[in-house]
Amino acid sequence: EVQLVESGGGLVQPGRSLKLSCAASGFTFSNYYMAWVRQAPTKGLEWVASITNSGGSTYYRDSVKGRFTISRDNAKSTLYLQMDSLRSEDTATYYCTRDDVAALFAYWGQGTLVTVSS
Amino acid sequence: DIQMTQSPSVLSASVGDRVTLNCKASQNINKYLNWYQQKLGEAPKLLIYNTNNLQTGIPSRFSGSGSGTDYTLTISSLQPEDVATYFCFQHNSWPLTFGSGTKLEIK
Repeated sequence: EVQLVESGGGLVQPGRSLKLSCAASGFTFSNYYMAWVRQAPTKGLEWVASITNSGGSTYYRDSVKGRFTISRDNAKSTLYLQMDSLRSEDTATYYCTRDDVAALFAYWGQGTLVTVSS
Repeated sequence: DIQMTQSPSVLSASVGDRVTLNCKASQNINKYLNWYQQKLGEAPKLLIYNTNNLQTGIPSRFSGSGSGTDYTLTISSLQPEDVATYFCFQHNSWPLTFGSGTKLEIK
């Protein structure tokens, strides 16, 4: 069974950093593209960043480019999101997702809440 | 960026009704369109990928269609457990974008 478990969320002040992790199990992690999708409280879904299975290529939405870094450790079956220079508008639940052979964002974790506030 | 516009924003229907949710892209997305269901307090779940492919384990009352800029999600016979918000999503080009959602309620 595919399992994605996010951790690392919490309350952080504007301008500070936070690193999210997503522990994957139930599949061969190194075979799949992964991504982070976020959802601000009572709002819609927003794609944040994606990474290829090898980690050789990464993609970001403009609003986080230069501040967030997506990475992965295939030996540990773990996906990361390093978030620097956090802003209030980054407040959201962050979901880890896994692609399938033909479908993007086929599997989702339960999410971890990041609150940016002074 | 490709804008995804969903309509209606709220839909109220009766159990057993045939329900249609709409999604319009601001430009051709070549059928690279997924539908997700999100129940209150839960993570989204993939229902349909690439316009009309039913994800494994999803009931056959859900179906998708469309092309170019216009896409639909149809529920052939609405069930109480279908109460949720439904999001469309395009992966034709970066940045990947979601619609704002249709909240489906039971009358």
